[in-house]
Amino acid sequence: DTGVSQDPRHKITKRGQNVTFRCDPISEHNRLYWYRQTLGQGPEFLTYFQNEAQLEKSRLLSDRFSAERPKGSFSTLEIQRTEQGDSAMYLCASSLAQGVNEAFFGQGTRLTVV
Amino acid sequence: RKEVEQDPGPFNVPEGATVAFNCTYSNSASQSFFWYRQDCRKEPKLLMSVYSSGNEDGRFTAQLNRASQYISLLIRDSKLSDSATYLCAVIFNKFYFGSGTKLNVKP
Repeated sequence: DTGVSQDPRHKITKRGQNVTFRCDPISEHNRLYWYRQTLGQGPEFLTYFQNEAQLEKSRLLSDRFSAERPKGSFSTLEIQRTEQGDSAMYLCASSLAQGVNEAFFGQGTRLTVV
Repeated sequence: RKEVEQDPGPFNVPEGATVAFNCTYSNSASQSFFWYRQDCRKEPKLLMSVYSSGNEDGRFTAQLNRASQYISLLIRDSKLSDSATYLCAVIFNKFYFGSGTKLNVKP
């Protein structure tokens, strides 16, 4: 499978716990995005990388959220001290920065904080 | 003002109808434009890119109006299987997505 893959697909955690999600982009894509989506809303931008550089992080994102893309390939998104309001679908997408630059999404990680 | 705005709908249409969605964007320097389809509790999937000259893929036609800063999606001969949420996306440095327009095609 050469698409974007995310792991895990589902995560249930207790409030206050830390969680980490992984995204493996399409191999030749140098851009990687993280979005959060709740029911009835469009994808909300969290952060994005070009290669290993984090180019932007949403101002709406608290400092409990951090993302890395250490070697410019896979990325991780960590949420510390989870809150019930963090419950959402976390989507990863990848694209090329230039040329044919459509973004392709992974299947998402559905987080439930109880 | 949001970077990308869409009418949330829902649009309820009978099978065989023609339906059109519009999406407006705020940044005139936006570079690329797309329509995505999202089924309930699934990830968005690319439906089509939108080119300056307009483009068609089967029953789907996408158009770009740079002067008025909107893109449109026309679906002809609607099928039950077209029922989904349609998201528009634009690139200005990064991807911005609209909140989506929900389409329900009824028998």
